[in-house]
Amino acid sequence: QITLKESGPTLVKPTQTLTLTCTFSGFSLSTSGVGVGWIRQPPGKALEWLALIYWDDDKRYSPSLKSRLTITKDTSKNQVVLRMTNMDPVDTATYYCAHKITVAGTDYGLDVWGQGTTVTVSS
Amino acid sequence: QSVLTQPPSVSGAPGQRVTISCTGSSSNIGAGYAVHWYQQLPGTAPKLLIYDNSNRPSGVPDRFSGSKSGTSASLAITGLQAEDEADYYCQSYDSSLSGCVFGGGTKLTVL
Repeated sequence: QITLKESGPTLVKPTQTLTLTCTFSGFSLSTSGVGVGWIRQPPGKALEWLALIYWDDDKRYSPSLKSRLTITKDTSKNQVVLRMTNMDPVDTATYYCAHKITVAGTDYGLDVWGQGTTVTVSS
Repeated sequence: QSVLTQPPSVSGAPGQRVTISCTGSSSNIGAGYAVHWYQQLPGTAPKLLIYDNSNRPSGVPDRFSGSKSGTSASLAITGLQAEDEADYYCQSYDSSLSGCVFGGGTKLTVL
């Protein structure tokens, strides 16, 4: 059974750097085709994809946020970390991590999601 | 403004059929990339409803179906139930952005 759980601060000040950790179980991020993505959702708004890291350390970022984001993985700890610099009140949102897998050319989407963690940016 | 365009809202009476459209472009849906659909019940995390255009994960009722044609995709829900009231999102990959893209979401109201 695949599970993911996000952790990190609930409150950050403007200009600070946010560090979120996704701790997962039930799969290995060293298995071919596997990835972990980060998605956020401001209150009352739509989902927004942020970043994705694959088993081979290939990293993809949202073009609009690329300069502020860094995604890394620690395969031994079963963790993926997302760093977002220069936080602003508009970054207030629920942040989700999710499992992704592509097998034999079939993209299975973001098939398992964490429960999400709410981050508020305020002074 | 989302790369994938969805209607903000749809509604239907119990038992009816509704469809939700997702319109993209030649760099995402039209390029042949898979379209996925997610259901988000109030206060919960999104849940995968349809993957790879038209496939249902185990446990998803066959009342939910997906299709794709050209630069658009659709989610159909038949036999509407009160529990289907939720937000629905489409998602694909965009080659010009080199990453995932979501639609703006559609709120389904069961009348």
